[in-house]
Amino acid sequence: ILNVEQSPQSLHVQEGDSTNFTCSFPSSNFYALHWYRWETAKSPEALFVMTLNGDEKKKGRISATLNTKEGYSYLYIKGSQPEDSATYLCALTTGNQFYFGTGTSLTVIP
Amino acid sequence: DSGVTQTPKHLITATGQRVTLRCSPRSGDLSVYWYQQSLDQGLQFLIQYYNGEERAKGNILERFSAQQFPDLHSELNLSSLELGDSALYFCASSGTSGGTGELFFGEGSRLTVL
Repeated sequence: ILNVEQSPQSLHVQEGDSTNFTCSFPSSNFYALHWYRWETAKSPEALFVMTLNGDEKKKGRISATLNTKEGYSYLYIKGSQPEDSATYLCALTTGNQFYFGTGTSLTVIP
Repeated sequence: DSGVTQTPKHLITATGQRVTLRCSPRSGDLSVYWYQQSLDQGLQFLIQYYNGEERAKGNILERFSAQQFPDLHSELNLSSLELGDSALYFCASSGTSGGTGELFFGEGSRLTVL
């Protein structure tokens, strides 16, 4: 079992603030790193899948970076909006299995 | 709508009983994954199937079993249920057997064992 850690566990920001959180993982056996957004009472939805060291992905105001050598990925949200409130999960995959972190719960205060 | 369908959405049963959770993957997806989310826990990987074959097994109890049928739907069987089995069970599908394809999650089946 691989240990995927996310920090912080929860975060409250004001509307308009930019924020970021971290996913840390063992750098050996890396295959791909996924980010998912999980809104309350819904199911997780994929944001990004990253495979290469130095990858940077962007979707609207959300972006992510990946460092496979040091074993971390950052997720950035620029100008947070209330609709960004959700739990953000990262998952490391070594091939078949996905190892999920426990998530960062983001609350954006209007 | 992810295209992944799970039934039932809610299930209440008693200890010692057996239940079956069903998952229909997104059209064309060959991989099906099962996850368990207990209270205050993250998503725990149970098992993966690809085109009818078991590909990976996680922390799945011996009381639990799963299979994927020729039409690609999957069933998770939970038997001799205990209070601790109460959880949200997610099914996810992917177009690949490896990890580069994103997972599409169903809405989950919430199991309550009384």
